[in-house]
Parts: sequence; C-alpha cells; structure tokens
Amino acid sequence: AQTVTQSQPEMSVQEAETVTLSCTYDTSESDYYLFWYKQPPSRQMILVIRQEAYKQQNATENRFSVNFQKAAKSFSLKISDSQLGDAAMYFCAYRSMGGATNKLIFGTGTLLAVQP
Amino acid sequence: AAGVIQSPRHLIKEKRETATLKCYPIPRHDTVYWYQQGPGQDPQFLISFYEKMQSDKGSIPDRFSAQQFSDYHSELNMSSLELGDSALYFCASSLGLKQGPRHEQYFGPGTRLTVT
Repeated sequence: AQTVTQSQPEMSVQEAETVTLSCTYDTSESDYYLFWYKQPPSRQMILVIRQEAYKQQNATENRFSVNFQKAAKSFSLKISDSQLGDAAMYFCAYRSMGGATNKLIFGTGTLLAVQP
Repeated sequence: AAGVIQSPRHLIKEKRETATLKCYPIPRHDTVYWYQQGPGQDPQFLISFYEKMQSDKGSIPDRFSAQQFSDYHSELNMSSLELGDSALYFCASSLGLKQGPRHEQYFGPGTRLTVT
C-alpha cells in the first residue's frame, strides 16, 4: 500500500520570503501522480500543482514549484515570494496511474503561517 | 465555470439518526469520489463511482452506503450516526480513467456534518 508522509506539522514564513514544504512517499509503483493541495480556512480543497512521475522536469505554477526526487521518493513544494493569502494547510497527495483506482492518498498536512 | 455542488453545506444530526449527503459533479464528469476529513486530519477516501458503478472502496463503515444515479449525481447515506462521524465530507468529480489517466479530481466545498 502507498503511504504519504509530511514531517512538518507547522511552518512559518515571512511575507515575500521563500518556504519549502517537505513530503516523502512510499510506493512500489513506477508510474503515479503527486499533488499538492491547499486548504485555506474556508476548508475548500484547491489543487496547487501536479507532477507526473514519468516526467523528470519539475513542475512549476507561477510562484509554486516542486523538487521531485523519484529515487529518494521525495516531493517538496517551494513557495516563492510568499503572500498572506498563501496561509493555509497544505496536503501532499499520491495517486496511482492506471488500474482501477483513482483515489487520492493524502499526507497529514503542513499548516503554513505567513507573517506580515 | 461550473464546480462540484454539495448539499447541504451544514448538517446537524443526533446520534442514531440518518443523514443523506448529495453531490452534483461538474457537467460531463462521470466519476465521483467521497472523502471524509475529521477534525485536524487529512481527507480519507471512502468510495468512488464510475458510470454509476462502484469503482473503488476505502475505509467506509458498513453503516454508510452510496450510489451514483443516471444523471451522475451521487448520494452518501449514513445511518446509525455516531459522534465520531462528525467530519467534513468532500465530494470530488473527474472524467473517468477510460478517458485517460490525467484527469484531475475537482473538489466540492464539502458538507460539514455534526453529530450531537
């Protein structure tokens, strides 16, 4: 079974600074997807960024980028130029590619605070 | 753009009562997922449906049942409610796996269930 681990329950960053959130996962599959979801106080689940395991190039979405290390099974999220609106719970998630299931497996989350 | 609709948004029930949560997927989406997020926890997969058939099952109690209807909306029925069922219940929708593995899950705003 696949597992996702986020070892940082809470992180804090100054506005305009850069912060990196860590995520490791365990799987025996060779093809899969990894995601970062943001959950602000409204509790809405918002997709931040996605990485396909077969792609060596790290995904980027504006101020958000990932460092995907497949051999190390590591998938960290870097937020550049942090803004007050980035304050939220961030979940790392895994999804198999193909097969019968498309379910997301989440980590326990990292609560990010942004200091003005 | 149309999003996933969940109703009701808030629900208060007493122990041993029943509850029905409804989910209306994004138009053209044929796959629906249900997740349960307890207080301070990550979302846990409950069950999914593709083309009105159950496609995967997670940690869903026997007291819960779900189905997907011909118009692709889904209902999660919960009976003999317990205090521990108090949680945020998310529905997500996507295009099915047969249409390609890349399709994202889009989350609804969730139904907050409180059992007293």
